[in-house]
Amino acid sequence: GDSVTQMEGPVTLSEEAFLTINCTYTATGYPSLFWYVQYPGEGLQLLLKATKADDKGSNKGFEATYRKETTSFHLEKGSVQVSDSAVYFCALSDLSAGSARQLTFGSGTQLTVLP
Amino acid sequence: NAGVTQTPKFQVLKTGQSMTLQCAQDMNHEYMSWYRQDPGMGLRLIHYSVGAGITDQGEVPNGYNVSRSTTEDFPLRLLSAAPSQTSVYFCASSYRRLAGELFFGEGSRLTVL
Repeated sequence: GDSVTQMEGPVTLSEEAFLTINCTYTATGYPSLFWYVQYPGEGLQLLLKATKADDKGSNKGFEATYRKETTSFHLEKGSVQVSDSAVYFCALSDLSAGSARQLTFGSGTQLTVLP
Repeated sequence: NAGVTQTPKFQVLKTGQSMTLQCAQDMNHEYMSWYRQDPGMGLRLIHYSVGAGITDQGEVPNGYNVSRSTTEDFPLRLLSAAPSQTSVYFCASSYRRLAGELFFGEGSRLTVL
């Protein structure tokens, strides 16, 4: 079945540091890939997405590139801010699996940015 | 815009009690779903619905019931609560044509003693 593996946290960085959160996936078909963010006490919000190989999703300074050859979708940001402190979830939706509306989530990575 | 609204935000139950978590969305989304979030396990799908009158099981459906009588509402029922159901529950919705782009509620924290 489909699965998503994220780097384990927590991750602690200083403000303006470079961020990478690794995400790899296993899927039988051609999935769409997503990053969601959860701020303290809130529900998840869609951060960015990519629907096919080599697509780059971007939003709020975050980027992730859909790499089919390495089955990866790593999240990056060049300069993090304190306000980026949150839990980040990688997820996939496999259109060929017959239930396109189901998302498979990774376990989440807690990011703390210190001033 | 209200988006996805969940109630209650917090609830404490005793083992064996029943309760319903309410979820409503005002975006006319066809798809609605319930997830539970447990430490180190990400989010796991409990039940989902692709439209009024249609529901299906997700990854962890045991102990939970759902119904979808209207497009707007998708309540989750715990018939006989167990400590293993202590979790944070999230309701989510989306347009059917935008699979994977979910809008989440703020969550309901349930503790079963």
